[in-house]
Amino acid sequence: EPEVTQTPSHQVTQMGQEVILRCVPISNHLYFYWYRQILGQKVEFLVSFYNNEISEKSEIFDDQFSVERPDGSNFTLKIRSTKLEDSAMYFCASRAQGAGANVLTFGAGSRLTVL
Amino acid sequence: AQKVTQAQTEISVVEKEDVTLDCVYETRDTTYYLFWYKQPPSGELVFLIRRNSFDEQNEISGRYSWNFQKSTSSFNFTITASQVVDSAVYFCALSEAYTGNQFYFGTGTSLTVIP
Repeated sequence: EPEVTQTPSHQVTQMGQEVILRCVPISNHLYFYWYRQILGQKVEFLVSFYNNEISEKSEIFDDQFSVERPDGSNFTLKIRSTKLEDSAMYFCASRAQGAGANVLTFGAGSRLTVL
Repeated sequence: AQKVTQAQTEISVVEKEDVTLDCVYETRDTTYYLFWYKQPPSGELVFLIRRNSFDEQNEISGRYSWNFQKSTSSFNFTITASQVVDSAVYFCALSEAYTGNQFYFGTGTSLTVIP
């Protein structure tokens, strides 16, 4: 079964440091997403990415965040200067193109702890 | 605005009991998709079902069944003869049909099945 792979599974960082979370989406998928889940809360949309550009982003996705698809397989989320409130589980997801294809396949998540 | 409400935050049942998880949604779209995802203790999000807004037929998959009622904007999920492995957080989600970019998740229902 194809899957979305995320690394690292857990990262601990100091406040103010830059963090890059990596994702390898399913190979024939064209839409990519990052979602965030603060501990015990709901899963929140951050950003969607299609055709090498951001197609939609939420209010959470401010200037501290950026996404990139540097090499045609990886999809990264960068947090420039982490804050305590960035501590959360970050989920990458991807989906195929086409009508009826909007089932998101999620990765296992990257837990970020900011100290 | 899109909104998903899961009023039950935590449910405990004894193994082999049936349990229903409620989901109520709001949307102005006439065409949309509804989803259920399972988040086991390991943290990943596992897709369970997608339902198109035009398809109100109930669905059964093994011990799982889903009741979609457009008239009450509800998409409830029933587990029959619950098992310990069903213990997880279950999220209901809504997405618009055409772009499907954003998934709107409910706050989740934490199900504990007691042996």
